[in-house]
Amino acid sequence: GAVVSQHPSRVICKSGTSVKIECRSLDFQATTMFWYRQFPKQSLMLMATSNEGSKATYEQGVEKDKFLINHASLTLSTLTVTSAHPEDSSFYICSAILGGLEQFFGPGTRLTVL
Amino acid sequence: QKEVEQNSGPLSVPEGAIASLNCTYSDRGSQSFFWYRQYSGKSPELIMFIYSNGDKEDGRFTAQLNKASQYVSLLIRDSQPSDSATYLCAVNDMEYGNKLVFGAGTILRVKS
Repeated sequence: GAVVSQHPSRVICKSGTSVKIECRSLDFQATTMFWYRQFPKQSLMLMATSNEGSKATYEQGVEKDKFLINHASLTLSTLTVTSAHPEDSSFYICSAILGGLEQFFGPGTRLTVL
Repeated sequence: QKEVEQNSGPLSVPEGAIASLNCTYSDRGSQSFFWYRQYSGKSPELIMFIYSNGDKEDGRFTAQLNKASQYVSLLIRDSQPSDSATYLCAVNDMEYGNKLVFGAGTILRVKS
């Protein structure tokens, strides 16, 4: 399958700081990437759809000013959690589409906000 | 509201048995169906996908799709302890082409 990387894999930050997470498609170009969040023992929750060269589409209830998404190239999308708070602590996972519909996931970023 | 339903489990099977995981979906217009495996603390990995009614086999895995009943299943033959994970069923959202709607997942435990 296709390879998607995320960086960093784990981050611990203080409340009020901003954290940037990178998602890269390593061996293919992805016009569309997705950002998910997963709390312990819960399923994936789609946060937003990231489209190369255009604004991201956010799911209902996701604050676009808090979770900034930039998809500046066909292989890179970034998610910035602004003014992070302890309730933002979660497992953030990106995915990219190869071909038509198959989504391949990155390894995830575990964010802990103190 | 588009929904994908899975039994949360845990489903326990002995090593070497067939594990059967089931999923139903609400959007009759859905066209593509995916099974992902997620180990604890890791991200999901794609096992297989199916588009047409019937069975699709890939190694020890068989996906079964019945669009009339809005039902998709995954069979794992010769289950191994390494198959113990959460299995996520996902269905494409026809309203937004590429977006997937995920079920909550079924926990599978294979006991040796």
